[in-house]
Amino acid sequence: GEDVEQSLFLSVREGDSSVINCTYTDSSSTYLYWYKQEPGAGLQLLTYIFSNMDMKQDQRLTVLLNKKDKHLSLRIADTQTGDSAIYFCAERKNRDDKIIFGKGTRLHILP
Amino acid sequence: EADIYQTPRYLVIGTGKKITLECSQTMGHDKMYWYQQDPGMELHLIHYSYGVNSTEKGDLSSESTVSRIRTEHFPLTLESARPSHTSQYLCASMRGKGTDTQYFGPGTRLTVL
Repeated sequence: GEDVEQSLFLSVREGDSSVINCTYTDSSSTYLYWYKQEPGAGLQLLTYIFSNMDMKQDQRLTVLLNKKDKHLSLRIADTQTGDSAIYFCAERKNRDDKIIFGKGTRLHILP
Repeated sequence: EADIYQTPRYLVIGTGKKITLECSQTMGHDKMYWYQQDPGMELHLIHYSYGVNSTEKGDLSSESTVSRIRTEHFPLTLESARPSHTSQYLCASMRGKGTDTQYFGPGTRLTVL
């Protein structure tokens, strides 16, 4: 099928690292994305990784890609209260540029 | 930062009314999309367009209609609103080349009484 899978909820203590996991469907997908959605807002592109990369780091964000297992993860170091949001994983299919979104992971920060 | 706008941000309206949700982008993107978002978070694609005079239905059946007369404008219309149409509606656009992905507007939260 065309489902991008991710767990629905994650709770993390402030200051710890958060790791949000995602599995995607199409090994030929060219780009994989992470979006962040805060309450009452649209989706904001956080970062992306090209399919020929294994890792990408941008300040507190680290994206890991395991192409063999079609597994993508987003690690947020030193999680802050402002990181509380819903995080969507998405893949861009090679054949038609269609972007498929996961159902979102709600990240909850514990004090 | 993406320049894509949606109005109104919030709308409360009675059953049977006709409504149009506006979406505009100033980036010259050819591809535009409408999503309906569940309270439980999942995005459902309801309409998309690959350019002027192009409109297609998405994965989720919707009673709404769209038009694309100008590149920058992609309005969504409900001829007769019902409580089942209560949802968050998100508009997005995309150039479609290189690393480009979809850029989202802030959304319209629609409540039909």
